[in-house]
Amino acid sequence: GAGVSQSPRYKVTKRGQDVALRCDPISGHVSLYWYRQALGQGPEFLTYFNYEAQQDKSGLPNDRFSAERPEGSISTLTIQRTEQRDSAMYRCASSLLGLAGGAGELFFGEGSRLTVL
Amino acid sequence: SQQGEEDPQALSIQEGENATMNCSYKTSINNLQWYRQNSGRGLVHLILIRSNEREKHSGRLRVTLDTSKKSSSLLITASRAADTASYFCATVNSGYSTLTFGKGTMLLVSP
Repeated sequence: GAGVSQSPRYKVTKRGQDVALRCDPISGHVSLYWYRQALGQGPEFLTYFNYEAQQDKSGLPNDRFSAERPEGSISTLTIQRTEQRDSAMYRCASSLLGLAGGAGELFFGEGSRLTVL
Repeated sequence: SQQGEEDPQALSIQEGENATMNCSYKTSINNLQWYRQNSGRGLVHLILIRSNEREKHSGRLRVTLDTSKKSSSLLITASRAADTASYFCATVNSGYSTLTFGKGTMLLVSP
């Protein structure tokens, strides 16, 4: 696609429910990143993929958070048993060749705003 | 965790003035990037400077990097109201594995 697409744009859920956030990166981009951004803060790294392989998941807060990118394109970030502290903007970004290749820049989507009641 | 610390947290200027934002970081880096974010929307890449570079220009943007002081600055010349946004510095670690963002500077340019 023309840009990174994320869905849903807004998600309101009740505490204890599972949520799945989807990211459709720019076509052909090798690397895909998930970040979380609190209001007034910079994005905080969660995890990233090269193709379908999850390279680093050190930023995932706990084992309720997981991510996958099974075919090396679309990725899903899943939060199980959501808690109020999970409320944030979740941002996805993609990069043509990753941080080490080419221009090394990330292209961000508009984000998915999660609110846990 | 966030590597960079931008300074100031907020900056208010008039159109036509220059805006300078600073960023400090803690660990060794491969490169440093600046991003802009309008009103909570997606971040947009502005410029990248590599660890072996000291200064870089792109249009009205000028970025400097001092690796000995672990700091960078972003200068926007002849600012416009449309430059109103939050600006973030982000560092790429030596292993190229992560891009770590600072907390950002909120710039307000008044007509």
